[in-house]
Amino acid sequence: NAGVTQTPKFRILKIGQSMTLQCAQDMNHNYMYWYRQDPGMGLKLIYYSVGAGITDKGEVPNGYNVSRSTTEDFPLRLELAAPSQTSVYFCASSAQGSPSGNTIYFGEGSWLTVV
Amino acid sequence: AQSVSQHNHHVILSEAASLELGCNYSYGGTVNLFWYVQYPGQHLQLLLKYFSGDPLVKGIKGFEAEFIKSKFSFNLRKPSVQWSDTAEYFCAVKGGGSQGNLIFGKGTKLSVKP
Repeated sequence: NAGVTQTPKFRILKIGQSMTLQCAQDMNHNYMYWYRQDPGMGLKLIYYSVGAGITDKGEVPNGYNVSRSTTEDFPLRLELAAPSQTSVYFCASSAQGSPSGNTIYFGEGSWLTVV
Repeated sequence: AQSVSQHNHHVILSEAASLELGCNYSYGGTVNLFWYVQYPGQHLQLLLKYFSGDPLVKGIKGFEAEFIKSKFSFNLRKPSVQWSDTAEYFCAVKGGGSQGNLIFGKGTKLSVKP
């Protein structure tokens, strides 16, 4: 039972570099999410997707882009990395609409440091 | 707009002490409520959830939470904590139905002294 899989787990970027955080889920969930977690701040929603081909901004979308070409994958792209993007990133998914569909399942997180 | 408040930033307890972590939310309609736990260096795991029915919800590892609609609260409790409960606990709320996103509180760090 893989659930939600994120890669890489750890990454150090230089200011201005670009990278993509990969996320895949094998639960056939239609909703997927990207959160960032900063100390003492809880989780903030970056982007979310309600299905393949549909994405929407969350609370803190600036500096990020996403795409959802398939149900399984929801990559998060940082185009020009900035120190403010140093954070822990969590991908998540849920089967919205089913009786128990409002439970969100999280990946193991990606620790990103921008120097 | 939805919001979630967790009253305590850091709670320190000795083993066998009782635990209650406060969570209040603001949302006018039907809500789904969750508590997630994050052990050091790990991802978030669902502890328990409330969708409807009995307002006293029992979760894993002896945790429970009570939904009090009149107080907009969903406090987490455990009668006797263990050292292994040391973790960060997040309350989250989502508007009922298919719309809306999960909004998290800022978390409460629990440290249990052996």
